[in-house]
Amino acid sequence: AQRVTQPEKLLSVFKGAPVELKCNYSYSGSPELFWYVQYSRQRLQLLLRHISRESIKGFTADLNKGETSFHLKKPFAQEEDSAMYYCALMLNAGKSTFGDGTTLTVKP
Amino acid sequence: GAGVSQSPRYKVAKRGQDVALRCDPISGHVSLFWYQQALGQGPEFLTYFQNEAQLDKSGLPSDRFFAERPEGSVSTLKIQRTQQEDSAVYLCASSLVQGKVTEAFFGQGTRLTVV
Repeated sequence: AQRVTQPEKLLSVFKGAPVELKCNYSYSGSPELFWYVQYSRQRLQLLLRHISRESIKGFTADLNKGETSFHLKKPFAQEEDSAMYYCALMLNAGKSTFGDGTTLTVKP
Repeated sequence: GAGVSQSPRYKVAKRGQDVALRCDPISGHVSLFWYQQALGQGPEFLTYFQNEAQLDKSGLPSDRFFAERPEGSVSTLKIQRTQQEDSAVYLCASSLVQGKVTEAFFGQGTRLTVV
């Protein structure tokens, strides 16, 4: 069955430190993976997608099919990065399955 | 408005009561999605519309859940005979692109509490 696992519910780092939010998936097909972010009191929004290999707000994520992972990384965390982050796997055109999220806190 | 609008923002229902949750998508968006998010969990897919056609309702948890989008714009998610396990945030999202939930803009959600 398709599944997305985010093993860390909470992650806390100091400003300027590197941060990595882990995401593992199980899927028999060719995966399309994404990261969403939800800042406090704001809506869920797409952060980045593996297929475009982009860097958004300094974040990158590489799809590792061998390890079935799609970890989100940033070399130098900022306080404004504090938010809830969700990893998601697109199953078909209309449906995605989400992990349970990681709350990132960046301390000053 | 500029974004997806959901109403009400908060709803408290007594167990057994019927509720209706409304979603106003961004004008012109053909695709509309409903997700359910229980406390401490990620969003879970409920159903997907392309214009007025409900193309996927595989995520609706029971026949007490019903969604419609009769004119291809506003959508309503109805829950009959609410149960405590229905307590969750219900998210609506719309997309200009056909069937691409990853291109969708999310609303702020309706928080349903069943007491």
